[in-house]
Amino acid sequence: AQSVTQPDIHITVSEGASLELRCNYSYGATPYLFWYVQSPGQGLQLLLKYFSGDTLVQGIKGFEAEFKRSQSSFNLRKPSVHWSDAAEYFCAVGLNTGGFKTIFGAGTRLFVKA
Amino acid sequence: EADIYQTPRYLVIGTGKKITLECSQTMGHDKMYWYQQDPGMELHLIHYSYGVNSTEKGDLSSESTVSRIRTEHFPLTLESARPSHTSQYLCASSDSGRGNTIYFGEGSWLTVV
Repeated sequence: AQSVTQPDIHITVSEGASLELRCNYSYGATPYLFWYVQSPGQGLQLLLKYFSGDTLVQGIKGFEAEFKRSQSSFNLRKPSVHWSDAAEYFCAVGLNTGGFKTIFGAGTRLFVKA
Repeated sequence: EADIYQTPRYLVIGTGKKITLECSQTMGHDKMYWYQQDPGMELHLIHYSYGVNSTEKGDLSSESTVSRIRTEHFPLTLESARPSHTSQYLCASSDSGRGNTIYFGEGSWLTVV
């Protein structure tokens, strides 16, 4: 069955440190891949997406993600975290299985300590 | 980015009341969705629509109903609210291009007392 796994329920990072949030998917083909961010009390904002081509994609707010087909992963990274990055991050995959379907991961809560 | 507007943003109502959460988008997207999300929890798809007069139930069973009479409008209605309906409701829409990118509104927080 298709699935999206975000192994870390929450992560704490010091301000200025680098960040990597993990995302793994289970699907027979290469899906469309997305990362969203949700600040408290808000909706989800699209950070970046990967459809094809260069496996390293740049997004907004200084985020990037790398697609690794061999590992079925699409990890989100940021070289230097700011306190305002504290939020919930959701990985999602888009699947074309006759009808289109988007599956969201359970999310990773990012805490930033001063 | 799509512009998706949800009203009200916050609502506190009594048990048994009927409520409608409004959702409008200005991008002309054919596909629209409603997700339910408890605080700090994952998203659950409760309704979706692929176009006018098309509505389907999502993965999570919900007592709410939806309608799609106009492309830009996708309201959600609860005929008789209960405390178990307390949650955040997120409206979204997606383009019909490659990848079906989903865009979200700001959400409607519903508290039933």
